[in-house]
Amino acid sequence: DAKTTQPPSMDCAEGRAANLPCNHSTISGNEYVYWYRQIHSQGPQYIIHGLKNNETNEMASLIITEDRKSSTLILPHATLRDTAVYYCIVSYNQGGKLIFGQGTELSVKP
Amino acid sequence: DAGVIQSPRHEVTEMGQEVTLRCKPISGHDYLFWYRQTMMRGLELLIYFNNNVPIDDSGMPEDRFSAKMPNASFSTLKIQPSEPRDSAVYFCASSLRWSLSEQFFGPGTRLTVL
Repeated sequence: DAKTTQPPSMDCAEGRAANLPCNHSTISGNEYVYWYRQIHSQGPQYIIHGLKNNETNEMASLIITEDRKSSTLILPHATLRDTAVYYCIVSYNQGGKLIFGQGTELSVKP
Repeated sequence: DAGVIQSPRHEVTEMGQEVTLRCKPISGHDYLFWYRQTMMRGLELLIYFNNNVPIDDSGMPEDRFSAKMPNASFSTLKIQPSEPRDSAVYFCASSLRWSLSEQFFGPGTRLTVL
């Protein structure tokens, strides 16, 4: 499974967009990019995933570069409840496993 | 749907005792996963099942750990005998058929072995 690199921590002002980067330069052609988050004392929560195209759902947007070596998770209007550790994972959709790294600890501040 | 259900939410036991953690996956999900989370090692996959059959148990730390899935709606993770280093939060997750990676996690069981 490909590895990912994320900054250990980031701050964001409440109401502003939070842009969380992830590098995955060794991603293979069939591997997806997945984002999960873990709010303190809770189980991880699936956010979004994509293969090549940008994706958007009710929680976030995922921007994947054309060469697929990096991606950005965008929370368009961050709230205090978005404070969490965000994990970027690359994996095959079928037959792959989720390997959680250290993630990015996002702090949303008033 | 109630989501993935785990019990107990907290467990405190003494070294050498048997511990059984329980999980009820989301109905219709064919994959079930057991994870362990510690400060030192982060979130680790222990084992996962597909249609009640264990597929990959390479993450199970040692023979003291065992997991079963007798039916589609129930799984157990047992530690016998327990040791202080087993103290961690244990998460169960499930996912739909054909989707190994889009997983829904339970609230976890916080295990403390004294």
